[in-house]
Amino acid sequence: DTAVSQTPKYLVTQMGNDKSIKCEQNLGHDTMYWYKQDSKKFLKIMFSYNNKELIINETVPNRFSPKSPDKAHLNLHINSLELGDSAVYFCASSQRASEGEQFFGPGTRLTVL
Amino acid sequence: DAKTTQPTSMDCAEGRAANLPCNHSTISGNEYVYWYRQIHSQGPQYIIHGLKNNETNEMASLIITEDRKSSTLILPHATLRDTAVYYCIVSSVNTDKLIFGTGTRLQVFP
Repeated sequence: DTAVSQTPKYLVTQMGNDKSIKCEQNLGHDTMYWYKQDSKKFLKIMFSYNNKELIINETVPNRFSPKSPDKAHLNLHINSLELGDSAVYFCASSQRASEGEQFFGPGTRLTVL
Repeated sequence: DAKTTQPTSMDCAEGRAANLPCNHSTISGNEYVYWYRQIHSQGPQYIIHGLKNNETNEMASLIITEDRKSSTLILPHATLRDTAVYYCIVSSVNTDKLIFGTGTRLQVFP
C-alpha cells in the first residue's frame, strides 16, 4: 500500500491553463505539506496544513491554492500557469506539526509549455 | 533554522562504509539534526535524526559530536541502491518546516 500518493505523475500543459495535483496519505497523519523542486534540484516547502488548517504559506504566489477537504488529502490547484511553474511537486505528511520525520510522495512532474 | 554545510559529492565502494559529514556550527540547543536522502526521480526519504546522542536504526547510524557542531551519517555497508543525494537538515521542534540544502551526491560504485 502506498503511504503517500500523488496524481498525476506527469502533467504537461500550456501557459495560462489551470491545473490541479492531488495528494492522499493513508498513514493517519495530521499534517500534510507541498514542496517544489526546481530544475536546479532545490527543494523548498510551499505549504503546510495541520488538521485541514493552513499553518505554513511560504510566500507562494496567489495562483497557487492548496485545498484540504479532509485530513488525508491535500490538493494543489494552480491558476494561470507560467513557464516558471515547471518543476517537480512533492506532497508529504507527518504525524503532527513540528514533526521532522516526513513521508514524501513520488512527485508530480509539471511541465508548462 | 541553522545552516548546514555538506560536501558536494562523495564516492564509496560497494560493501564499504559510507561516511557522510555535515557541519552545523550555528546549531541551537533545541535543534535536531535530520538526514534524508533522495534517490533519482523519487521523493525524499527520511533516514534518521538525533539531538545529542548517537543514533542507530536499520538504515544508518548518526554520530553527533559533543559540541553538536557537526555530525556524520554512516551507511555501514553501502550498496548500489544507496546512490542518492543525502541531505543534512537542522530543524527546531518549534518549526513546522524542513529546509533542504544542496546535499551530498553519494555515488556507490561496484
